[in-house]
Amino acid sequence: RKEVEQDPGPFNVPEGATVAFNCTYSNSASQSFFWYRQDCRKEPKLLMSVYSSGNEDGRFTAQLNRASQYISLLIRDSKLSDSATYLCVVTGRRNTGFQKLVFGTGTRLLVSP
Amino acid sequence: DADVTQTPRNRITKTGKRIMLECSQTKGHDRMYWYRQDPGLGLRLIYYSFDVKDINKGEISDGYSVSRQAQAKFSLSLESAIPNQTALYFCATSDLNFEGTDEQFFGPGTRLTVL
Repeated sequence: RKEVEQDPGPFNVPEGATVAFNCTYSNSASQSFFWYRQDCRKEPKLLMSVYSSGNEDGRFTAQLNRASQYISLLIRDSKLSDSATYLCVVTGRRNTGFQKLVFGTGTRLLVSP
Repeated sequence: DADVTQTPRNRITKTGKRIMLECSQTKGHDRMYWYRQDPGLGLRLIYYSFDVKDINKGEISDGYSVSRQAQAKFSLSLESAIPNQTALYFCATSDLNFEGTDEQFFGPGTRLTVL
């Protein structure tokens, strides 16, 4: 079983739609969670961290469900510029010094006019 | 100017050749990393370094070596390139944030093709 699993998509949605991605992780000791965005042939960039209480940044909302070991990303009012691959990333325990980032393979989003 | 730069951005080479990929950063971070990305696979860690004198293997270090010449520079070498090392290579830097977690910042990537 992969440490981090994502639906590769693509998710094809029209502009203005709401779309949600889920990601599951296998290490129950994981402490930190992130969503990164990666445009085609470009470097990953941090989109947002995911906190236990959930967090929102504009049109983007991230949620963490520790009991079921999944995190989610909700995008409201999709824009053409949201088209990208979204990478789910988790780390190990906070108190072990180095927290290796474990990357999912990504979910591709295509927003059409 | 970009905070994390990589050279070259693209490289085509032949099997058996020695290749060096270079990474420089102006973020002042102590921690630096090398990853590779292959289609259908997540980014995988090759090597990482927390300090000039600190080198650590990641999950796929075989066939690679690194050098941390200075805080700002971290280079990756393929001593004898082979075709399955064809991939997109990313350098990253990080520093612990106030929550004690590593937020990593990536360079633009080097696309390496080994024929």
